[in-house]
Amino acid sequence: DAGITQSPRHKVTETGTPVTLRCHQTENHRYMYWYRQDPGHGLRLIHYSYGVKDTDKGEVSDGYSVSRSKTEDFLLTLESATSSQTSVYFCATQARSQETQYFGPGTRLLVL
Amino acid sequence: GESVGLHLPTLSVQEGDNSIINCAYSNSASDYFIWYKQESGKGPQFIIDIRSNMDKRQGQRVTVLLNKTVKHLSLQIAATQPGDSAVYFCAETIQGAQKLVFGQGTRLTINP
Repeated sequence: DAGITQSPRHKVTETGTPVTLRCHQTENHRYMYWYRQDPGHGLRLIHYSYGVKDTDKGEVSDGYSVSRSKTEDFLLTLESATSSQTSVYFCATQARSQETQYFGPGTRLLVL
Repeated sequence: GESVGLHLPTLSVQEGDNSIINCAYSNSASDYFIWYKQESGKGPQFIIDIRSNMDKRQGQRVTVLLNKTVKHLSLQIAATQPGDSAVYFCAETIQGAQKLVFGQGTRLTINP
């Protein structure tokens, strides 16, 4: 699992509040990803990073922002949480020389 | 437990039998494929991969078969055990693309 941790593991928040999820990796992998997983949709890419301070949008990026100030940390921020952002969020990492992505344990977010 | 897909295809097998899980991939240019296993409440876990210059690859109790002609991938699990119960999904990519495209997954249930 490439030494990936996510925090928090569970969070309940209210509509309109900001939320930040953290992904931390210890493998020095270059690429990092944020996905959400919902019934009927599978894994969908939110944002990804191909290096420190280099990020790009995925297929479902609206309402989310990311930051990567150092190799090991990739933050996902919901600026103003909505009920449609209730989901399970997974972080993944990938080494520069590989195509395999390794996933963290996930964060379950409930927006009331 | 957590449901990763309310309408996933399902496969039920008897403990000790062999399981075959299928995946149709979308892009004829894809040249790298991965199978992941996701247990309830956990992140996807890498099982086995295969490149397009191969049509078969074996691991411990698992075999992946690739048929590029019909864009089909299968995962065979020998002598299934209760711990094999999970959702299995395939992913495809093109070397250098740094993005995976995920299938919806199949829920495997092992009957005692």
